[in-house]
Amino acid sequence: QITLKESGPSLVKPTQTLTLTCTFSEFSLSTGGVGVGWIRQPPGTALEWLALIYSDDDKRYSPSLRSRLTITKDTSKNQVVLTMTNMDPVDTATYYCAHRRAGKYYVDYWGQGILVTVSS
Amino acid sequence: QSALTQPASVSGSPGQSITIPCTGTSSDVGGYNYVSWYQQYPGKAPKLIIYDVSDRPSGVSNRFSGSKSGNTASLTISGLQAEDEADYYCGSYTSSNTLYVVFGGGTKLTVL
Repeated sequence: QITLKESGPSLVKPTQTLTLTCTFSEFSLSTGGVGVGWIRQPPGTALEWLALIYSDDDKRYSPSLRSRLTITKDTSKNQVVLTMTNMDPVDTATYYCAHRRAGKYYVDYWGQGILVTVSS
Repeated sequence: QSALTQPASVSGSPGQSITIPCTGTSSDVGGYNYVSWYQQYPGKAPKLIIYDVSDRPSGVSNRFSGSKSGNTASLTISGLQAEDEADYYCGSYTSSNTLYVVFGGGTKLTVL
């Protein structure tokens, strides 16, 4: 059974950089046709795709957040890392790690989510 | 503002059927058969219940069904049960960005 789990800080200050790690099991990003990404959900509102990285290191970003996001993978550790710069209180949200297959446009496995609050 | 439009809330009584619409454009819902639906309980991660418009993952009840007509996709839940009370989100392929997926704003289902 594929599992994903997010880790990182629960609280960051405005202007700081957020670094989140997704650690996954039962699949490998060295195998073709697999992608891992990040989706966030502000309290009480909708889901928003942030970034996605495929096994061939192809990276995709939300157009509106592209300048602030970097996604990388560490295949040996089964991890994907997302950094988001210049955090603002409007970035307060639950951040989910997501598994998506190449050529498929749905998330079939989700992490449990991590709530990140941006406040001074 | 989400790319796909869903009603904020729907309600129904146990045993009834309800339908949740998800409206997009020809660049997403109307142009491709890649609509998905997710069920989310409070404080939990979303769960995939429909993909590719009308396919169900293994283990998802056949009370959940999906369809599409033009630029509007629909999720139908038949034989409504108390446990179906949750938020429901649609998602679709979109040609408008390179992530290729957009979500709806979500619909709160209340079982009366």
